[in-house]
Amino acid sequence: KAGVTQTPRYLIKTRGQQVTLSCSPISGHRSVSWYQQTPGQGLQFLFEYFSETQRNKGNFPGRFSGRQFSNSRSEMNVSTLELGDSALYLCASSAGTDYTFGSGTRLTVV
Amino acid sequence: AQSVAQPEDQVNVAEGNPLTVKCTYSVSGNPYLFWYVQYPNRGLQFLLKYITGDNLVKGSYGFEAEFNKSQTSFHLKKPSALVSDSALYFCAVSPTGFQKLVFGTGTRLLVSP
Repeated sequence: KAGVTQTPRYLIKTRGQQVTLSCSPISGHRSVSWYQQTPGQGLQFLFEYFSETQRNKGNFPGRFSGRQFSNSRSEMNVSTLELGDSALYLCASSAGTDYTFGSGTRLTVV
Repeated sequence: AQSVAQPEDQVNVAEGNPLTVKCTYSVSGNPYLFWYVQYPNRGLQFLLKYITGDNLVKGSYGFEAEFNKSQTSFHLKKPSALVSDSALYFCAVSPTGFQKLVFGTGTRLLVSP
């Protein structure tokens, strides 16, 4: 079966811009969660969506937002980018206790 | 608050020797525990999980982990290390069971030939 697909793989943006990342989960998985990975802070939970509803949110500023569509695909948006937003953004598709991660989107803010 | 501790930033082991990567957790209720591995510029690959039942969990690529409730530990082990096991390993806990994962800081495993 197809895995979790994240697009794009790499992205370079300028401070102050906004960015949208996409995640297509495994077919049949209705839960998608997002994580930010940085060398300094490690892996941190951003938010989780299930059937188009945000069920849980981590401790990130309001510049970070997300949504989920009826086909379970999810997007996350970061507005007014800061240098510190440079990170690997991972999404996980889950059904029950089975979490499968995508390869991530590497965002560099310059 | 739930948390995971991986006390070693790096573990070095010679190929063919047994390896252990340590993990302890703090969570209320019954924890769901996971191990993932990450290779450079890649996402996280699932190794194994403990939900309930037998305290010894066997996973992918010959890895296993032992759940110890009294010591709140979930150490990752492998009887014989391979050079290709060199990677970054993350322990994670899911306090609610379904909604999110809380990760440790990761342990870099280096297996020398």
